[in-house]
Amino acid sequence: AQKITQTQPGMFVQEKEAVTLDCTYDTSDPSYGLFWYKQPSSGEMIFLIYQGSYDQQNATEGRYSLNFQKARKSANLVISASQLGDSAMYFCAMIVTGGGNKLTFGTGTQLKVEL
Amino acid sequence: EAGVVQSPRYKIIEKKQPVAFWCNPISGHNTLYWYLQNLGQGPELLIRYENEEAVDDSQLPKDRFSAERLKGVDSTLKIQPAELGDSAVYLCASSLDGTGFDTQYFGPGTRLTVL
Repeated sequence: AQKITQTQPGMFVQEKEAVTLDCTYDTSDPSYGLFWYKQPSSGEMIFLIYQGSYDQQNATEGRYSLNFQKARKSANLVISASQLGDSAMYFCAMIVTGGGNKLTFGTGTQLKVEL
Repeated sequence: EAGVVQSPRYKIIEKKQPVAFWCNPISGHNTLYWYLQNLGQGPELLIRYENEEAVDDSQLPKDRFSAERLKGVDSTLKIQPAELGDSAVYLCASSLDGTGFDTQYFGPGTRLTVL
C-alpha cells in the first residue's frame, strides 16, 4: 500500500518570500505519479503540479516547482514569491500503477502568507 | 471550459434522513470519482466510474451509500439513512480517462452536516 506523509500541519511565510512544503511518500511500485493540490477555504481542490517517477527533470508550473528527490522519496513543493492568495491548505498526493488511478492524499499543510 | 460542477454546496439534515449529491464532470471526461473528506484529513476515494461502469467501489459503505452514473455523464451519490458520522465534505472529480497518471480535476464539494 502507498502512503503520503506531510509533517508540517501549519506554515507561515511572509509575502514575496519563497516557502517549501514537505512531502514524503512510500510505495514499492517503481512507477508512480505525484501531485500537489491547493484547497482554499472555499473547498475546491485545485491542481497545481505533477511529477512522474521516471521524469528526469523537476516539474515547474509558474511560481510552483516540485523538488523531487527519488532516493529520499520526497516531493517537496516550492512556492516562490508568495502572495496573500496562496494562503490555503496544500495536499500532496500519489497514484501508483495498478492502483486504479486512485489518489492517495497526505493530511495537508495549512499555509498562511503574511504581510 | 467549465469545471466540475457539484450541487448542493451545503446540506444540513437530521440523522436517519436520506440525502443526495449531484456531480457534472468536465465535458469529455470519461472517468468520474467520488471522494470523502473528513475534517483535517485528505480526501479518500469512495467510488470510481469509467463511463457508466463502477470499476472501483471497494471503499463505498454499501449498506447506506449508493451511486449511479447513468449515460456515463452526470453522477449522483446517495446516503440513506444518514448518520452523524457522515458529516464531511463530498468531493467529485473527473479525469480524461482512467489510464496512466491522469490528472483529476475536482469540483467545489458538498459540505454535509448531519444533526
